[in-house]
Amino acid sequence: DQQVKQNSPSLSVQEGRISILNCDYTNSMFDYFLWYKKYPAEGPTFLISISSIKDKNEDGRFTVFLNKSAKHLSLHIVPSQPGDSAVYFCAASTSYGKLTFGQGTILTVHP
Amino acid sequence: NAGVMQNPRHLVRRRGQEARLRCSPMKGHSHVYWYRQLPEEGLKFMVYLQKENIIDESGMPKERFSAEFPKEGPSILRIQQVVRGDSAAYFCASSPRGEVGNEQFFGPGTRLTVL
Repeated sequence: DQQVKQNSPSLSVQEGRISILNCDYTNSMFDYFLWYKKYPAEGPTFLISISSIKDKNEDGRFTVFLNKSAKHLSLHIVPSQPGDSAVYFCAASTSYGKLTFGQGTILTVHP
Repeated sequence: NAGVMQNPRHLVRRRGQEARLRCSPMKGHSHVYWYRQLPEEGLKFMVYLQKENIIDESGMPKERFSAEFPKEGPSILRIQQVVRGDSAAYFCASSPRGEVGNEQFFGPGTRLTVL
């Protein structure tokens, strides 16, 4: 069963505009959520996270929003840059930090 | 401070052979996680280890797969009698503590191809 879902396989955005990546989850026991960015032939790199007791966390151009009642989170990147083009994974965690990942969304930012 | 290291980066095996994947965590990290990414899919948890202990292996296939993290040396993921379906990217991650909210640092992965 897919407990973390990213329903958009890809997203294309113009440079300077906002990128919004979405993620849904089904397991209400998840208490920490993370976004990772991945380039081809590399491992995922941590971007930003949010605890389930918060509804927003911001770090520079990246903001993550959490809607617990809807079991939905989103990552906003503004302004988007061509270097942001990568695969973005949403992940959720319980207990000792074991991560459950979504399928990923390929973001392409056009100059 | 070197990051998480994995070797080999690419591994080719014929069906029936054994594959050994190595992971050296970041300095000071004693918690290691292994994940597998099949083509066109997200990463799937396989196993969580601390030094000399397997804490959670709920994501490991019941047969042919084993993992260890000895007191000295890297963590090893071992796949015996590989089959074509084992072809995937295997990622190792390390963390200073096995707690919720602790960032996991990922290695570059080992790409296993089974012919």
